[in-house]
Amino acid sequence: GAGVSQSPRYKVAKRGQDVALRCDPISGHVSLFWYQQALGQGPEFLTYFQNEAQLDKSGLPSDRFFAERPEGSVSTLKIQRTQQEDSAVYLCASSSPPPRTSGSTDTQYFGPGTRLTVL
Amino acid sequence: AQSVTQLDSQVPVFEEAPVELRCNYSSSVSVYLFWYVQYPNQGLQLLLKYLSGSTLVKGINGFEAEFNKSQTSFHLRKPSVHISDTAEYFCAVGIAGGYQKVTFGTGTKLQVIP
Repeated sequence: GAGVSQSPRYKVAKRGQDVALRCDPISGHVSLFWYQQALGQGPEFLTYFQNEAQLDKSGLPSDRFFAERPEGSVSTLKIQRTQQEDSAVYLCASSSPPPRTSGSTDTQYFGPGTRLTVL
Repeated sequence: AQSVTQLDSQVPVFEEAPVELRCNYSSSVSVYLFWYVQYPNQGLQLLLKYLSGSTLVKGINGFEAEFNKSQTSFHLRKPSVHISDTAEYFCAVGIAGGYQKVTFGTGTKLQVIP
């Protein structure tokens, strides 16, 4: 596609509900990242995929957060039993080719984000 | 672990005036440095990045930044701002040779005044 897309753009959930946020990366991009951006803050890393492999999930704040990318393209971030502190914008980014290239790094292209509000 | 400090949360500046947005980083290893811009209700867009080589990096929209290793800084500059530059700007740091996991600063809101 032309860029990274995310859906829904806005999500309102009642505390305790489960939510699923979708990311469609740029076609052919190997790397995919999820970030959480709280109000007035910079994005914070959540997790990283290389194709379908989740290579780093060190930023996931609790075991209520789960991400998957089963076919190496679309990714879903799931939050179970949402809490008010989960309210934030969730950003997805993709890049290519594989990042472990000596002496170089590749631009991450960000989607518009999903704004999650937990009441 | 690396960290980024953006000293100014908001910077007002008149149109056509120069601007500098400050960024300082901390890391025990070699780093890559980035500046991103975020327009309202949009994702982040890369302005420029420093990987190695020349310490003066030029980016899109007339922005440039200078890597200063001794001062651990990577300040963003533009000689003449436009109304359309009004946005939030994020400095970010990643580990050189790493897989691009980056740490972002808290952002600086640039407000261009007509």
